[in-house]
Amino acid sequence: EDKVVQSPLSLVVHEGDTVTLNCSYEVTNFRSLLWYKQEKKAPTFLFMLTSSGIEKKSGRLSSILDKKELFSILNITATQTGDSAIYLCAVGAGGTSYGKLTFGQGTILTVHP
Amino acid sequence: DGGITQSPKYLFRKEGQNVTLSCEQNLNHDAMYWYRQDPGQGLRLIYYSQIVNDFQKGDIAEGYSVSREKKESFPLTVTSAQKNPTAFYLCASSPVAGPTSRQYFGPGTRLTVT
Repeated sequence: EDKVVQSPLSLVVHEGDTVTLNCSYEVTNFRSLLWYKQEKKAPTFLFMLTSSGIEKKSGRLSSILDKKELFSILNITATQTGDSAIYLCAVGAGGTSYGKLTFGQGTILTVHP
Repeated sequence: DGGITQSPKYLFRKEGQNVTLSCEQNLNHDAMYWYRQDPGQGLRLIYYSQIVNDFQKGDIAEGYSVSREKKESFPLTVTSAQKNPTAFYLCASSPVAGPTSRQYFGPGTRLTVT
């Protein structure tokens, strides 16, 4: 059974802090790892990673995948109150899991002014 | 505007009643998905459809049913057999089914059953 575990489950920081969110996975036929941000309703896409060691970056957010150690991290620098959200990690696989994503529990990030 | 719509936003039902949640997309996507979200549990896949007139069970299909008669529509019925139906339900779609095909999400329906 495919498994995705995120840590920490929740995190409280102050504006300006840097945070690192973790996602580890155990899947057969790994193909992709995706990060989403969910503020109130619909999760919005942040990154998709398929190759190990290549950093994806968008403004203050960045993410990297380690396929050997089976994990990814999402970094947010100079956090703002607008970064408060649930961050979801999901893994796409081939084989019998083809066509679906397996999500982790999510990390609830709260940024205080 | 292209996107995914889910209706209603909030839904209240009595125990023992079936209820159908609507999901429509105008993105011309082949694949559609239904997820359930409970506090502290992330998203769990209920059903997915890779193409019209076809669908597969996800990880928690018991007590739910779906149909995919039109490409743009993927309604979910929560039956009275679902033991704990109160949850936030999210619909998603992707251009094609596959591990590198990004999923786009609707705004969700919060179902409360008492």
